[in-house]
Amino acid sequence: DTAVSQTPKYLVTQMGNDKSIKCEQNLGHDTMYWYKQDSKKFLKIMFSYNNKELIINETVPNRFSPKSPDKAHLNLHINSLELGDSAVYFCASSRTSARTGTYEQYFGPGTRLTVT
Amino acid sequence: AQSVAQPEDQVNVAEGNPLTVKCTYSVSGNPYLFWYVQYPNRGLQFLLKYITGDNLVKGSYGFEAEFNKSQTSFHLKKPSALVSDSALYFCAVRSLYSSASKIIFGSGTRLSIRP
Repeated sequence: DTAVSQTPKYLVTQMGNDKSIKCEQNLGHDTMYWYKQDSKKFLKIMFSYNNKELIINETVPNRFSPKSPDKAHLNLHINSLELGDSAVYFCASSRTSARTGTYEQYFGPGTRLTVT
Repeated sequence: AQSVAQPEDQVNVAEGNPLTVKCTYSVSGNPYLFWYVQYPNRGLQFLLKYITGDNLVKGSYGFEAEFNKSQTSFHLKKPSALVSDSALYFCAVRSLYSSASKIIFGSGTRLSIRP
């Protein structure tokens, strides 16, 4: 069974469109994250939810909106897509570590977003 | 500001030789340090972590890392490299973020093991 899954794996869309990426984890973790990895492989956190509560919200355009319907799911909705949004987006989860940071994170396979 | 640095973009090692991937950090308070590996077109996989205790930490796939507080380093090592170790390696450090913690990743080091 896949521990952290993301859909879709690839997403090609035009500028101005709105798209969503879904993430699910079956590890029983209660903290989930969204990361962006650019073309140079730099990895940067975007958001983190702990028990459906937003606890980390980095400087990300407000076109990006995360939603956590329950502890096992964290979706990312992006409005008015721009060329610069092209990247690989990773979802991750961990045990309750949002406040202590001691537990490792488990990553999904990534969603490669290409905006044309 | 809290940060982590991986000074080498690429490390090349012959199979069977020992390997070291370097990492230095800057963080307030006690450092919590991690190593992750990323294979092509895959997500990151956890290798090992240092929270407290022994300075030498053992992890997956025969990797280990040594925490050195005086040098603020956490270098990843393996006694005998395999071709299958070729991948992108990330060092990461916990950073306090108001009431929560976030992980700051280094820029990554590409490890290439030649047969």
